[in-house]
Amino acid sequence: GAGVSQSPSNKVTEKGKDVELRCDPISGHTALYWYRQSLGQGLEFLIYFQGNSAPDKSGLPSDRFSAERTGGSVSTLTIQRTQQEDSAVYLCASSLSPGRGETQYFGPGTRLLVL
Amino acid sequence: DQQVKQNSPSLSVQEGRISILNCDYTNSMFDYFLWYKKYPAEGPTFLISISSIKDKNEDGRFTVFLNKSAKHLSLHIVPSQPGDSAVYFCAASARASGTYKYIFGTGTRLKVLA
Repeated sequence: GAGVSQSPSNKVTEKGKDVELRCDPISGHTALYWYRQSLGQGLEFLIYFQGNSAPDKSGLPSDRFSAERTGGSVSTLTIQRTQQEDSAVYLCASSLSPGRGETQYFGPGTRLLVL
Repeated sequence: DQQVKQNSPSLSVQEGRISILNCDYTNSMFDYFLWYKKYPAEGPTFLISISSIKDKNEDGRFTVFLNKSAKHLSLHIVPSQPGDSAVYFCAASARASGTYKYIFGTGTRLKVLA
């Protein structure tokens, strides 16, 4: 399909391990966002990429979290030394441009469980 | 500090009746508001939006109302259908440091009873 895809769909890991989450945005979309949704919480903004500009990392909760976007397309979110509080659904979204009110198209998310 | 609040975690409505989902915000710099709908195991999908210069936007069964003085918006679904059962997120955007930031509420789970 032509939508946003994310992998893996589910990930179970042990505390202290590193995990890498992948997002394939819609082709041609210049803006890419990562959010996470913890149980009972809203969507928490993590990081934003726009074209070749430096990413907006203001939402990353700690320095264990990092993300990159290669070639303006695929993005990976890496969580190092995972903690139990990192357990959440990690959602990726892309939009055609970062304009005001631009619709974001979300992937199905990666459900991360840290034991 | 929750800038976008959805104070009702859940709502049940009879099929055919009106569903009203509410959202309050605190930041007067928000200039665009959006509603997203989320089914289990899927990502949110865009439903309807409204610019801060308007007070109403309608799209079929869905209408969003904005009351800027009260910093309140609501989503009306009429008539409600069982397929509308989902979690609804309110989101607000504001320009900050040259980009648009989106702040989401915690969601309201709507259940439409057949």
